[in-house]
Amino acid sequence: ETGVTQTPRHLVMGMTNKKSLKCEQHLGHNAMYWYKQSAKKPLELMFVYSLEERVENNSVPSRFSPECPNSSHLFLHLHTLQPEDSALYLCASSQTGNQPQHFGDGTRLSIL
Amino acid sequence: QKEVEQDPGPLSVPEGAIVSLNCTYSNSAFQYFMWYRQYSRKGPELLMYTYSSGNKEDGRFTAQVDKSSKYISLFIRDSQPSDSATYLCAMTSMEYGNKLVFGAGTILRVKS
Repeated sequence: ETGVTQTPRHLVMGMTNKKSLKCEQHLGHNAMYWYKQSAKKPLELMFVYSLEERVENNSVPSRFSPECPNSSHLFLHLHTLQPEDSALYLCASSQTGNQPQHFGDGTRLSIL
Repeated sequence: QKEVEQDPGPLSVPEGAIVSLNCTYSNSAFQYFMWYRQYSRKGPELLMYTYSSGNKEDGRFTAQVDKSSKYISLFIRDSQPSDSATYLCAMTSMEYGNKLVFGAGTILRVKS
């Protein structure tokens, strides 16, 4: 399997639930990213991991908690989300430096 | 002022037309420029990656960067219905490290 794979593709959860999004990259990259994509808005960078260390936390609420156990895997743990958190969550990977990022197909998250 | 401005469209053209997609930006430090294509229910796919000013061609696609005007363009020749998608511009610089700054995307519709 190649590229960046995200699971699940769709997730519906209540505001009190806890769930996790998973991302796996098979490109040998050493940096991974979480983005939020909402309609008609630019991609919002949430977190950056470089060489498995978090190097960016873009003022994201604590109800989003990332985890990067190794250079191939990235998780986003979710708890007590709000309706405005409904969006497409995209994972990406790249080599460090100003190299282009490669994206997965995202998880469509709906908060009831 | 947004760092990257991109007309959201939609831009509707007949099959076979030449399409011009554009972004303007405010930060003169940007050096690396990318164009991504995003189909519905899919993640962004890297189309073109250029450094500094000039043109780069790949098949029917040409990316153009004019740093003096802070303006980048993507031209699509002989457009096809399969080119219908949202096109995102992105850019970065050494100072930004691994962070990309995205435009909001232009919706393109190519009608047969």
